[in-house]
Amino acid sequence: DAGVIQSPRHEVTEMGQEVTLRCKPISGHNSLFWYRQTMMRGLELLIYFNNNVPIDDSGMPEDRFSAKMPNASFSTLKIQPSEPRDSAVYFCASSLARDYTFGSGTRLTVV
Amino acid sequence: KQEVTQIPAALSVPEGENLVLNCSFTDSAIYNLQWFRQDPGKGLTSLLLIQSSQREQTSGRLNASLDKSSGRSTLYIAASQPGDSATYLCATYNTDKLIFGTGTRLQVFP
Repeated sequence: DAGVIQSPRHEVTEMGQEVTLRCKPISGHNSLFWYRQTMMRGLELLIYFNNNVPIDDSGMPEDRFSAKMPNASFSTLKIQPSEPRDSAVYFCASSLARDYTFGSGTRLTVV
Repeated sequence: KQEVTQIPAALSVPEGENLVLNCSFTDSAIYNLQWFRQDPGKGLTSLLLIQSSQREQTSGRLNASLDKSSGRSTLYIAASQPGDSATYLCATYNTDKLIFGTGTRLQVFP
């Protein structure tokens, strides 16, 4: 298996633009998580899905953030409109039986 | 609300030393505890997963222990090498999500 695949690896965008981050989990994993990592706050859980259903989105910072999982092999995290304070590394992880595998992350810079 | 703390925040040691990284958590009702390694600019690599019913797990030069009653876990690295330099994160699995500590940044110099 190729592991958890995230795209793009790097994204630079202007404030106010829409940003979409993508994730392909490991086949057979039934849970998917989106995390954000910053120097100040470390790794924060934004939202997670179980069997494609959003279970807990209490970590989503604002209504500007939304996430979808239309099927078991694909998820997106969208920020609209983006702001400079959204600059961070966004990680996707999938799990089976509570054993997590993380993707390589998307480094987002909003200027 | 689970809080996970790691000490020290940073550690610098000469090659060959045995070292211990500490992780403490406030809520002992965990399903498991997982140790990760993160290299600069990279993602997280799982090192060891300890189920709540287990006391320790070993992989090569790494040994992780878990004491749920005291809310502690330790990661022991034997005979450290410069290639071990990275940030080490522990995370607890409570109910249905993984809560991370702030990490220990380790540097092993030749």
